[in-house]
Amino acid sequence: AQKVTQAQTEISVVEKEDVTLDCVYETRDTTYYLFWYKQPPSGELVFLIRRNSFDEQNEISGRYSWNFQKSTSSFNFTITASQVVDSAVYFCAVVNFNKFYFGSGTKLNVKP
Amino acid sequence: NAGVTQTPKFRVLKTGQSMTLLCAQDMNHEYMYWYRQDPGMGLRLIHYSVGEGTTAKGEVPDGYNVSRLKKQNFLLGLESAAPSQTSVYFCASSDGTRGANYGYTFGSGTRLTVV
Repeated sequence: AQKVTQAQTEISVVEKEDVTLDCVYETRDTTYYLFWYKQPPSGELVFLIRRNSFDEQNEISGRYSWNFQKSTSSFNFTITASQVVDSAVYFCAVVNFNKFYFGSGTKLNVKP
Repeated sequence: NAGVTQTPKFRVLKTGQSMTLLCAQDMNHEYMYWYRQDPGMGLRLIHYSVGEGTTAKGEVPDGYNVSRLKKQNFLLGLESAAPSQTSVYFCASSDGTRGANYGYTFGSGTRLTVV
């Protein structure tokens, strides 16, 4: 079975701090896809990034960056210079046979 | 282009009542899914469909039934609601050719409370 572990249930930071959200996954597949989604207080699910297992390059998008380490089955997400608008629940997910398997989520509180 | 639309957005049921949640997508997607979201547990797959007329069980199917009579619609039914089914329900769809590897399109969710 696929499994995604987000060990950090809740994190609180002060605005402008950097924060890293951890994601560890399990999969038997040699080829797989990983995702991060953001769920703001309004409740919708917002796509952040998609990564396939062949591409281990780190990715940066503005203040967001992702570190994919296939050797440790981790796909961590860093927000640089956090802002209050980053306050949300963040989900990591692995795709297997056209189905998403989500972690339990990390709630990020960014305080002004 | 509406994407994935869930109806209703909110509902309160009494224990033992039945109801149907409707998910409609206008993107001609083959695959559709129902998830429930509970605090501290992320999103868990209830049922899914890989095409019109097909359905399959996910991780937590007990107490739910589904139907996909039309490609664009995926219905989730609760025959006899229980307080344990209080949750936020999300519907999602994905393209049949590219599959979920290219991501889901999510609905905005249905908040269901069973009292």
